[in-house]
Amino acid sequence: GQQLNQSPQSMFIQEGEDVSMNCTSSSIFNTWLWYKQDPGEGPVLLIALYKAGELTSNGRLTAQFGITRKDSFLNISASIPSDVGIYFCAGHSGGSNYKLTFGKGTLLTVNP
Amino acid sequence: DAGITQSPRYKITETGRQVTLMCHQTWSHSYMFWYRQDLGHGLRLIYYSAAADITDKGEVPDGYVVSRSKTENFPLTLESATRSQTSVYFCASSERELAEQYFGPGTRLTVT
Repeated sequence: GQQLNQSPQSMFIQEGEDVSMNCTSSSIFNTWLWYKQDPGEGPVLLIALYKAGELTSNGRLTAQFGITRKDSFLNISASIPSDVGIYFCAGHSGGSNYKLTFGKGTLLTVNP
Repeated sequence: DAGITQSPRYKITETGRQVTLMCHQTWSHSYMFWYRQDLGHGLRLIYYSAAADITDKGEVPDGYVVSRSKTENFPLTLESATRSQTSVYFCASSERELAEQYFGPGTRLTVT
């Protein structure tokens, strides 16, 4: 089946630093999604990407849909302590199949 | 706006008991999903439903039963709980034709 490789698995950074993480797939996706999960809560949708090459921002977050449609990137600028959490990517292949394929997540820790 | 809710948030049960986890959404989304989240495995799809009275198996359906008599509710039943079903369970929903799934806060289930 489809698999997503998300990296890095974890990051430990200082407040104010920029962060980059990515997901790669062996299959093509029509939609890429990025979620954040706080401890004890459900994943919250951050950004949705629909077209190859698309670059979309949500505040300090910027995500890109890779031109090959097999990868996506998430950048967080000027990190703050509340950015702590697990970030997941998810891919959707489209059509009548409404299932998502999830990456295993990137655990982000921000040191104040 | 309640969105998507899950109950209970925490549950401890004994091996062999039947337990039902509830999921309710107020958006009238057509699609609903049940996932379990475990360390090392990420989010795995248990069952999903495209509409009332239409359900289908996901990646890890064994030991679980679902029903969807009303669009807004999607209960998940563990017919005879096992220790391997100790996990955090998330319900999610999405609109028809769109990939974005919106998650509930989760139910932490412990089977002793």
